[in-house]
Amino acid sequence: DTAVSQTPKYLVTQMGNDKSIKCEQNLGHDTMYWYKQDSKKFLKIMFSYNNKELIINETVPNRFSPKSPDKAHLNLHINSLELGDSAVYFCASSPLRGGDIETQYFGPGTRLLVL
Amino acid sequence: AQKVTQAQTEISVVEKEDVTLDCVYETRDTTYYLFWYKQPPSGELVFLIRRNSFDEQNEISGRYSWNFQKSTSSFNFTITASQVVDSAVYFCALSGNSGGYQKVTFGTGTKLQVIP
Repeated sequence: DTAVSQTPKYLVTQMGNDKSIKCEQNLGHDTMYWYKQDSKKFLKIMFSYNNKELIINETVPNRFSPKSPDKAHLNLHINSLELGDSAVYFCASSPLRGGDIETQYFGPGTRLLVL
Repeated sequence: AQKVTQAQTEISVVEKEDVTLDCVYETRDTTYYLFWYKQPPSGELVFLIRRNSFDEQNEISGRYSWNFQKSTSSFNFTITASQVVDSAVYFCALSGNSGGYQKVTFGTGTKLQVIP
């Protein structure tokens, strides 16, 4: 069973296009996240949602818009893609209670290449 | 503000050697969590361990061990008798309070290469 899944795994697109990445978790967690990992492997949080409510919004261009239709899903829509958006995007989820409180479980990543 | 420093950018060891990956953190929170994650060449992020700030007991899991010292704000990770499969980027992370919610800050990672 896949705990945190992301689609697509790879995304190659032209500059200026709009694209979406989907994330789903079947762990029953309350909180979900989007991270960006650049070419130097630096991991930086972009957004965090708790029970469909946005709780963390780092300094991210407003071309990036997260949407959480329910607790198990957090999608990321990117408008007007730029070359600098090329990166690996990771979705993660974590529980707020229980034995593994605050532990983030990551999806497999979506490798985005903007040409 | 919280910060995680992994000063070792890259380490190379020969198989069967022991290796320690350093992690130093900064936080004003009294309650926080520390983590280590492994990112193998395949790219996924694998959770290895979580430690809360009130539990300074060292932990051993097979060839892996972790040394948490609040006095020096360090949470170091040692691999004993390293193997080629240990080659990966290892991230140390800190979860602390940000505006009433927990926020995780990752270090910049240490790339470990184990040479056969």
